[in-house]
Amino acid sequence: ETGVTQSPTHLIKTRGQQVTLRCSSQSGHNTVSWYQQALGQGPQFIFQYYREEENGRGNFPPRFSGLQFPNYSSELNVNALELDDSALYLCASSTWTISTADTQYFGPGTRLTVL
Amino acid sequence: AQTVTQSQPEMSVQEAETVTLSCTYDTSESDYYLFWYKQPPSRQMILVIRQEAYKQQNATENRFSVNFQKAAKSFSLKISDSQLGDAAMYFCARSTGANSKLTFGKGITLSVRP
Repeated sequence: ETGVTQSPTHLIKTRGQQVTLRCSSQSGHNTVSWYQQALGQGPQFIFQYYREEENGRGNFPPRFSGLQFPNYSSELNVNALELDDSALYLCASSTWTISTADTQYFGPGTRLTVL
Repeated sequence: AQTVTQSQPEMSVQEAETVTLSCTYDTSESDYYLFWYKQPPSRQMILVIRQEAYKQQNATENRFSVNFQKAAKSFSLKISDSQLGDAAMYFCARSTGANSKLTFGKGITLSVRP
């Protein structure tokens, strides 16, 4: 069974640029959630994708956007990067149903540094 | 705001001894799930244990067990026979809502003394 994978591992960008982060979900999972983890803090929910549609969003501006593909992999796009966007970005996959909350399994993360 | 609070930023335990990590949470929902995740310095978040709020029995996974007090909204993690590999940041998290998003505490850094 393949776990959650993310790419790239590290990324350095400058303020104002755009970035795309990628996530492949664990085999058998249909839902992907993205989290931002600032240094020394707990992860903060950005949004979730289920069946290629956004299924809930946290308190993040519209310049954070995402996609989910038919194979359940996902992308996180961030436009107009700001210094405060520097963080570890975590992807988590799960099997979502309307009646139960399944456990989310995390990938290793992408460390984004904005200069 | 519905929050998860981990009031102890750091704890230390002697190898082979027992340690308890505290967590309290706030929620207006009756049906929710609670988790403890471990994040070693390598940074991959690993599930330690999960508790369904409707279950009165405390969850157990080998050396890890929880003390779930629903009325007090308390969810502590007990690690027995601590090992050097247990050293990591531990996060308490609550899952609620239609999309089961996770709300995390700030985490606690656990060190294990040989």
